Amino acid sequence: KQEVTQIPAALSVPEGENLVLNCSFTDSAIYNLQWFRQDPGKGLTSLLLIQSSQREQTSGRLNASLDKSSGRSTLYIAASQPGDSATYLCAVNTGGFKTIFGAGTRLFVKA
Amino acid sequence: NAGVTQTPKFRVLKTGQSMTLLCAQDMNHEYMYWYRQDPGMGLRLIHYSVGEGTTAKGEVPDGYNVSRLKKQNFLLGLESAAPSQTSVYFCASSYGLGQPQHFGDGTRLSIL
Repeated sequence: KQEVTQIPAALSVPEGENLVLNCSFTDSAIYNLQWFRQDPGKGLTSLLLIQSSQREQTSGRLNASLDKSSGRSTLYIAASQPGDSATYLCAVNTGGFKTIFGAGTRLFVKA
Repeated sequence: NAGVTQTPKFRVLKTGQSMTLLCAQDMNHEYMYWYRQDPGMGLRLIHYSVGEGTTAKGEVPDGYNVSRLKKQNFLLGLESAAPSQTSVYFCASSYGLGQPQHFGDGTRLSIL
């Protein structure tokens, strides 16, 4: 059974710091992996989607990597800003409609 | 630029009452989903639909029913609400399998 884990559950960093959020999954047979951002009281906003054949995706200050063999993905945020404060979730699609979500990492960037 | 719209945003019910949550999308997506989000847990799929007139069970379907009479709308019903159904409910839609899912802002449901 696929399980998705995000550690730590919460993270606080000073503004300007580069940071890495981690996502691990137990079964390497995935279709794709997606990173989302969730602001308080809001829905999920898709940030990056990595297909199983890809190693990384970049969008602005965000870079997501995927290592299927080790069951890991990382989301790198460069030069963090207070506006980056949110909960970040990763989700693994195992094929069809089976998308397994992690519980998220709550990020707080201090000004 | 509405995207996915959920109504209502908040609701408090008494045990045993029924209600329907509405999801509407204006992106002409074929696929629509209903999830629930509980503290400390990832989102879990309740039901989904691959097109107008079709529905299927997800991971946690018990106690819920759905309907997709129009392509743009996906309704989630609770026939007899239970306290265990207190949660935040999210609707999402996507163009196809493996495509990014677009989420609504959620419905916060409390059942007393």
